[in-house]
Amino acid sequence: ETGVTQTPRHLVMGMTNKKSLKCEQHLGHNAMYWYKQSAKKPLELMFVYNFKEQTENNSVPSRFSPECPNSSHLFLHLHTLQPEDSALYLCASSQEVTRAGELFFGEGSRLTVL
Amino acid sequence: AQSVTQLDSQVPVFEEAPVELRCNYSSSVSVYLFWYVQYPNQGLQLLLKYLSGSTLVKGINGFEAEFNKSQTSFHLRKPSVHISDTAEYFCAVSGGSNYKLTFGKGTLLTVNP
Repeated sequence: ETGVTQTPRHLVMGMTNKKSLKCEQHLGHNAMYWYKQSAKKPLELMFVYNFKEQTENNSVPSRFSPECPNSSHLFLHLHTLQPEDSALYLCASSQEVTRAGELFFGEGSRLTVL
Repeated sequence: AQSVTQLDSQVPVFEEAPVELRCNYSSSVSVYLFWYVQYPNQGLQLLLKYLSGSTLVKGINGFEAEFNKSQTSFHLRKPSVHISDTAEYFCAVSGGSNYKLTFGKGTLLTVNP
């Protein structure tokens, strides 16, 4: 098993669809993160979870809804998205939230909103 | 507040040539500095980090970086690049009570035969 696994790798959805991104880490880490990567822009931190409790929501629109049922799993529920939400969504984990610089990333979920 | 500036958006080089990818940061507190690499169609991977101690840090795949506090820089270097080093490289900073990373926009390194 690779360290951080994301599914699906690619997702195309209409603006009225509801879909979810899944992330699973096999590293025994306690902190998990969602990042958004758009072309020509720095990575944007979206959400932080520490011991499955949300510790940061970086002003993310409510059409993105995270869920962290345990320290190993993280979801991003998507509904009524906009075309500008098309991007690569990266999940990451770290041993502790205070070691947020030492991140282990998944390969990402490429989202296209039509 | 912290910020990171990667001075070159693209760096083309020939195989076996040396390369330097430039990174400058701004922070009002002591910093931790990182370089990440992203190969095509993959997530980011930690290349190296400066937390404290020696200002010259060595990472994976033959890369190294030097922390220069007076110039607020953390440039990444490799003496001889390979085709397989073609990737996007991201500089990042965290520090003080703000443990979260601030990323630069990235530098696309293209190694040509």
